[in-house]
Amino acid sequence: DQQVKQNSPSLSVQEGRISILNCDYTNSMFDYFLWYKKYPAEGPTFLISISSIKDKNEDGRFTVFLNKSAKHLSLHIVPSQPGDSAVYFCAANPNTGNQFYFGTGTSLTVIP
Amino acid sequence: GAGVSQSPSNKVTEKGKDVELRCDPISGHTALYWYRQSLGQGLEFLIYFQGNSAPDKSGLPSDRFSAERTGGSVSTLTIQRTQQEDSAVYLCASSLAPRLAANEQFFGPGTRLTVL
Repeated sequence: DQQVKQNSPSLSVQEGRISILNCDYTNSMFDYFLWYKKYPAEGPTFLISISSIKDKNEDGRFTVFLNKSAKHLSLHIVPSQPGDSAVYFCAANPNTGNQFYFGTGTSLTVIP
Repeated sequence: GAGVSQSPSNKVTEKGKDVELRCDPISGHTALYWYRQSLGQGLEFLIYFQGNSAPDKSGLPSDRFSAERTGGSVSTLTIQRTQQEDSAVYLCASSLAPRLAANEQFFGPGTRLTVL
């Protein structure tokens, strides 16, 4: 049972434009959400996180939005750069446990 | 600086053999996680260690899987009697603490396991 879903396996965006990566979850106990970026042959690297007490967190070109009523979060990258081309995973953690639940990832390609 | 390291980077084994995968976390990190990523899937939680507490083994898929963490540092994931469905990339991650507001898990490069 996939509790965190990334329904778009891939996304292509022109350099300089906005990239929007989406993530949906089913478990209302999730209260902490993270985005990771992964290059081939490397482990994921942390990008940005958000607690359920917030609806937005911004770090430079990266902004994560959380819509708790819709159980949806999104990662906005603006402006997109070719170096942003990678697989992006969203993850969620419930307030009752140690497990982090990951989505299946979205492969972002930023076209120069 | 020294990040999370894993060995071996690649492991090919025959069905039925046992394998051991090693993880060296970042020094001082008390939390350690094992995940696996099968082809086309997300990261699947396997096990979690926090300090000297009993590990959270709730993600281990069968009793063929076990893990230990010696001295609160190095961890070994053991898979006994490997099956073809065990083929995956096994990732280890460590963090300073599990649920700080600015929690960040640092991942190793993973071990790609192929069971023939």
